[in-house]
Amino acid sequence: GQNIDQPTEMTATEGAIVQINCTYQTSGFNGLFWYQQHAGEAPTFLSYNVLDGLEEKGRFSSFLSRSKGYSYLLLKELQMKDSASYLCAVMDSNYQLIWGAGTKLIIKP
Amino acid sequence: NAGVTQTPKFRVLKTGQSMTLLCAQDMNHEYMYWYRQDPGMGLRLIHYSVGEGTTAKGEVPDGYNVSRLKKQNFLLGLESAAPSQTSVYFCASSGRHSGANVLTFGAGSRLTVL
Repeated sequence: GQNIDQPTEMTATEGAIVQINCTYQTSGFNGLFWYQQHAGEAPTFLSYNVLDGLEEKGRFSSFLSRSKGYSYLLLKELQMKDSASYLCAVMDSNYQLIWGAGTKLIIKP
Repeated sequence: NAGVTQTPKFRVLKTGQSMTLLCAQDMNHEYMYWYRQDPGMGLRLIHYSVGEGTTAKGEVPDGYNVSRLKKQNFLLGLESAAPSQTSVYFCASSGRHSGANVLTFGAGSRLTVL
């Protein structure tokens, strides 16, 4: 079967750095996505990786290793507004998105 | 530019009742999707559409029907609601179905079936 694994919950301190990991086992690979979802709101797109390596976008970076079936989302200079769930999703060989259950990130002052 | 709009935002149904969730997008996107989101689980695809007049089954289609009569609208119907369909439903649209397929989501519709 196909599955995406992410930690259920993480806690970090305002101003710090946090890394959210995502491992996947899917039928084929056509890209990996990270979305942010604040409580009670819609998911919003953060990043897309299809090649190995690091993609940096402001305070957020996303890394991919296809050979290891592994990605991480790195958040720097954490702000209280970063408290949200972070969803990892992989596009399989049929171009269907397989979603992880999400990681709830709690930021403490 | 409203993006993706879902109605209603909240609804309570009794078992066996029917209802329709409406999704409208103003981005001229070809592809539209209906997902459900349940605690502790990833988003699960119910049905999707690759263009006006087309629909296809996703991962969890049973108990739901959809229609895409107009490009901008994607309707999700529950003919006979069951408590297992209590969930938050998200509609999404995208301009492509592969590659950097960035989804734009609606705000969600919270459905409770008693």
